[in-house]
Amino acid sequence: DTGVSQDPRHKITKRGQNVTFRCDPISEHNRLYWYRQTLGQGPEFLTYFQNEAQLEKSRLLSDRFSAERPKGSFSTLEIQRTEQGDSAMYLCASSLQGPNEKLFFGSGTQLSVL
Amino acid sequence: GESVGLHLPTLSVQEGDNSIINCAYSNSASDYFIWYKQESGKGPQFIIDIRSNMDKRQGQRVTVLLNKTVKHLSLQIAATQPGDSAVYFCAENMRGNEKLTFGTGTRLTIIP
Repeated sequence: DTGVSQDPRHKITKRGQNVTFRCDPISEHNRLYWYRQTLGQGPEFLTYFQNEAQLEKSRLLSDRFSAERPKGSFSTLEIQRTEQGDSAMYLCASSLQGPNEKLFFGSGTQLSVL
Repeated sequence: GESVGLHLPTLSVQEGDNSIINCAYSNSASDYFIWYKQESGKGPQFIIDIRSNMDKRQGQRVTVLLNKTVKHLSLQIAATQPGDSAVYFCAENMRGNEKLTFGTGTRLTIIP
């Protein structure tokens, strides 16, 4: 058990609907990351927070995606007007000192857009 | 852009044998490398890491080798067990960069 919790584990939605995922990192970790993984591929970086500040966003993160970490603890990732191409595993990870140290991943939220 | 790639997409090994999973990276500025194991329906699980100032690092039943000359990384798993069956990813990071770049992955199957 890595200590990073994600909810829900699975989400099935219809195209055009909004979805929100939650991540609870390891409590003492101040860095939190979101990655996306499609079948047969490695995870791809989406965005990261240091405490409550969102410091970097990938070009993969279109304007339909928004992430927050309001109190520097848990984080949410919202996708508006979902598209079938958004179907993927959304992974959250946390770290004490950044990706040059160990990055601990949660079990992910599997999103299926019908 | 920079990429991390794997030589083989699948690998089957007899239980008890040793396995070697290879990875090539292209960013010569990368200074930190990590191997992750991912089982079906789970997130990546940290296995072992190595910094660019090292050539070899050993863990429990695992060894990572880094050859900076040819930009090659390998993961050796000794005395494989059924629980080692999973997809293995290498990932790399450059100091000052906040993201890990992952390869596509190698599926390791342990044959009983």
